[in-house]
Amino acid sequence: DMKVTQMPRYLIKRMGENVLLECGQDMSHETMYWYRQDPGLGLQLIYISYDVDSNSEGDIPKGYRVSRKKREHFSLILDSAKTNQTSVYFCASSSSRDSSYEQYFGPGTRLTVL
Amino acid sequence: AQKVTQTQTSISVVEKTTVTMDCVYETRDSSYFLFWYKQTASGEIVFLIRQDSYKKENATVGHYSLNFQKPKSSIGLIITATQIEDSAVYFCAMREHYNQGKLIFGQGTKLSIKP
Repeated sequence: DMKVTQMPRYLIKRMGENVLLECGQDMSHETMYWYRQDPGLGLQLIYISYDVDSNSEGDIPKGYRVSRKKREHFSLILDSAKTNQTSVYFCASSSSRDSSYEQYFGPGTRLTVL
Repeated sequence: AQKVTQTQTSISVVEKTTVTMDCVYETRDSSYFLFWYKQTASGEIVFLIRQDSYKKENATVGHYSLNFQKPKSSIGLIITATQIEDSAVYFCAMREHYNQGKLIFGQGTKLSIKP
């Protein structure tokens, strides 16, 4: 069963605290993504990872960093979280074997920064 | 620069009717892929259907079909025989051929199906 998982699903942090969001997939997909979704703005790409230790900035990378040490795991890190990083974060994965790079999404993590 | 625009913020239709959601895109690439995704009330995002730019035939999957008008840079999603469970937010997205994996999303259209 093809699946993208995200942990935690809900998280409340105080401003200035560090945040770690984790994503896993069981499809051996090379490419993984982190997005954030805010009301009225659709999905905005934060980072892409093309494989282990091969990461690239998306459209809104400021304030975020990522880590990918295993193909099946992709982490999003917020060092010293800010209130404007309150959002819903989605992880996705896709295979380069599929020329369209169709993406499979995780269930999302709702992050609140107080 | 690439851009995807969905101008319909929300649509409401009666169950069992047909609805069309609009999407226009901008790209300089001659080869690209267009997608429609559905986001349910629970937040789950599900891939629905895809159109490859080089294909002239409109894609169809189940009760979803596309109206691809390449000269107008338009990719409409048509849902026939709508059901209550089709109520969701629908996102249009584009990937340019050279741009490995990067999807550009529209703002979404909220579809409400009334009994």
